[in-house]
Amino acid sequence: QKEVEQDPGPLSVPEGAIVSLNCTYSNSAFQYFMWYRQYSRKGPELLMYTYSSGNKEDGRFTAQVDKSSKYISLFIRDSQPSDSATYLCALVALTGGGNKLTFGTGTQLKVEL
Amino acid sequence: SAVISQKPSRDICQRGTSLTIQCQVDSQVTMMFWYRQQPGQSLTLIATANQGSEATYESGFVIDKFPISRPNLTFSTLTVSNMSPEDSSIYLCSVDDNSYEQYFGPGTRLTVT
Repeated sequence: QKEVEQDPGPLSVPEGAIVSLNCTYSNSAFQYFMWYRQYSRKGPELLMYTYSSGNKEDGRFTAQVDKSSKYISLFIRDSQPSDSATYLCALVALTGGGNKLTFGTGTQLKVEL
Repeated sequence: SAVISQKPSRDICQRGTSLTIQCQVDSQVTMMFWYRQQPGQSLTLIATANQGSEATYESGFVIDKFPISRPNLTFSTLTVSNMSPEDSSIYLCSVDDNSYEQYFGPGTRLTVT
């Protein structure tokens, strides 16, 4: 079993839709949770970062963490064609081994006009 | 956030040869990381490079295959040695800002024929 599971998609939605992207994890040591966006042929770009259960909002993006269920989500409101990209969750475990990120496989999102 | 550049952006190499990838950061950073992203896969950490010490390699990666240099606080190189087609991948460097946030370079797209 992978430490972090993420549905690879592809996910296709119409412009203006609410998008829900999700990851599950198995290791309780993961305490920091990040979402990256990666456009084709580009490096990952940090979108949001949180460490507590609950919601964190930034513009059209909301990151949600449920540590009891080991489940994290990224919601995108009013999705735009420019949101079309691969979204990766990345988790950090507090093991004292440095800031190692464990990535999900990424969900490919396409927002259509 | 730090601005990271990588050279080359892409290359096509013959099997058995070696390629050195450069990573330059616009500010001094303690830790630099090297990742591999194989087609359709997520990012996998190869090694962590601290200035002034030997790189720390993850399971499945060895120094003979992926030697790393870290001569100062703004620069690192990763060499992919004795390449085979299985080494065809995107290689990314990243840095953290002394928190759990990591920022990535644009990547080097390597094809081995």
